[in-house]
Amino acid sequence: AQSVTQLGSHVSVSEGALVLLRCNYSSSVPPYLFWYVQYPNQGLQLLLKYTTGATLVKGINGFEAEFKKSETSFHLTKPSAHMSDAAEYFCAVSERSSYKLIFGSGTRLLVRP
Amino acid sequence: SQTIHQWPATLVQPVGSPLSLECTVEGTSNPNLYWYRQAAGRGLQLLFYSVGIGQISSEVPQNLSASRPQDRQFILSSKKLLLSDSGFYLCAWSPSAAFRNQPQHFGDGTRLSIL
Repeated sequence: AQSVTQLGSHVSVSEGALVLLRCNYSSSVPPYLFWYVQYPNQGLQLLLKYTTGATLVKGINGFEAEFKKSETSFHLTKPSAHMSDAAEYFCAVSERSSYKLIFGSGTRLLVRP
Repeated sequence: SQTIHQWPATLVQPVGSPLSLECTVEGTSNPNLYWYRQAAGRGLQLLFYSVGIGQISSEVPQNLSASRPQDRQFILSSKKLLLSDSGFYLCAWSPSAAFRNQPQHFGDGTRLSIL
């Protein structure tokens, strides 16, 4: 069965530093890949998605992610962290034959002033 | 544009009481609909999904049930709540079954506390 691993339940960075949140999936067939952000007591908001085509995907709020088939990874990055980026981030995958999303356990991003 | 509404935002219920959470989607037709539960400090667990009126798939055996009485309405219910039913409940939708590469879009959630 498909699974998603997010390394690090908590990541702490200084304001202005690079943000790197890691996501690996288990499927041998490239799935569809998504990153979501969740602020406290809110629903999930889509940051970006990869389905086909260019492997570097740009999203909202200055985030981007790169699909690397050889590494089965879809890491999320942002060059310079803002205080407003503090939230929980979820990586999700969808097999091409399924309507369902498989979510990682989430990474809480803390941004230090 | 499409919007999703979930209510209530918060709910406090005694053990053994019934539950009804409602979710509606506007601006699209024949969406896929989903109910998730998020326990404190944990990820999302898919509870139910539906690809059409009256079609419900259950992902985990539990104390809850779901119904889809109308195309854009999805209801989560329980006859008798348990303490373990506490959590943050999220409804989501995605475009119709033909578009499997589309993301899911989430409502604002319902915080359910069982006393």
